[in-house]
Amino acid sequence: SQQGEEDPQALSIQEGENATMNCSYKTSINNLQWYRQNSGRGLVHLILIRSNEREKHSGRLRVTLDTSKKSSSLLITASRAADTASYFCATSYNNNDMRFGAGTRLTVKP
Amino acid sequence: AAGVIQSPRHLIKEKRETATLKCYPIPRHDTVYWYQQGPGQDPQFLISFYEKMQSDKGSIPDRFSAQQFSDYHSELNMSSLELGDSALYFCASSLLSGLGNTIYFGEGSWLTVV
Repeated sequence: SQQGEEDPQALSIQEGENATMNCSYKTSINNLQWYRQNSGRGLVHLILIRSNEREKHSGRLRVTLDTSKKSSSLLITASRAADTASYFCATSYNNNDMRFGAGTRLTVKP
Repeated sequence: AAGVIQSPRHLIKEKRETATLKCYPIPRHDTVYWYQQGPGQDPQFLISFYEKMQSDKGSIPDRFSAQQFSDYHSELNMSSLELGDSALYFCASSLLSGLGNTIYFGEGSWLTVV
């Protein structure tokens, strides 16, 4: 990947469980964004967290950012089968570029 | 609401041919980004434009070029196509402002090189 690594690479859970995905990055950032992608489809923006923020919520999503560890986590609570997708984190330093991590493939079993 | 529009959605070309992908950003967005995503790969940043000027360059091969026009639409030109260029090409746009700007993606253009 161009920026960092995400773990796990693949995650399989039962509907109703929580899913946690982690992302690490290498350089200083301005902001970090999480995206989801259904197979072969476009990237859908989920949430943006700025470098001066530590935690952000949006519906069933909770994102944390630890700039000292250069890492972020995405928590999806009460997962649904429709949450099955690949999830990517992407970082931006100068607002002119955005680098993606390798992505986590989440499978939610009904 | 209007989204990022990409065309064509699917394109098949032979090796050594040339392909052009078009991107129409969200109205009033001033920044356009291009990404390449190979099968099973994460998106790779190629190039970006701000106010019609190239602002950043990533993993874009020398065989590729891009520009942003006066109406803010952008085109990615790919020449001497190789089999390895087969990928999903995304365009994204944003309004460059402040510390953070949400970047919105189009559905992508599938390029198959045979």
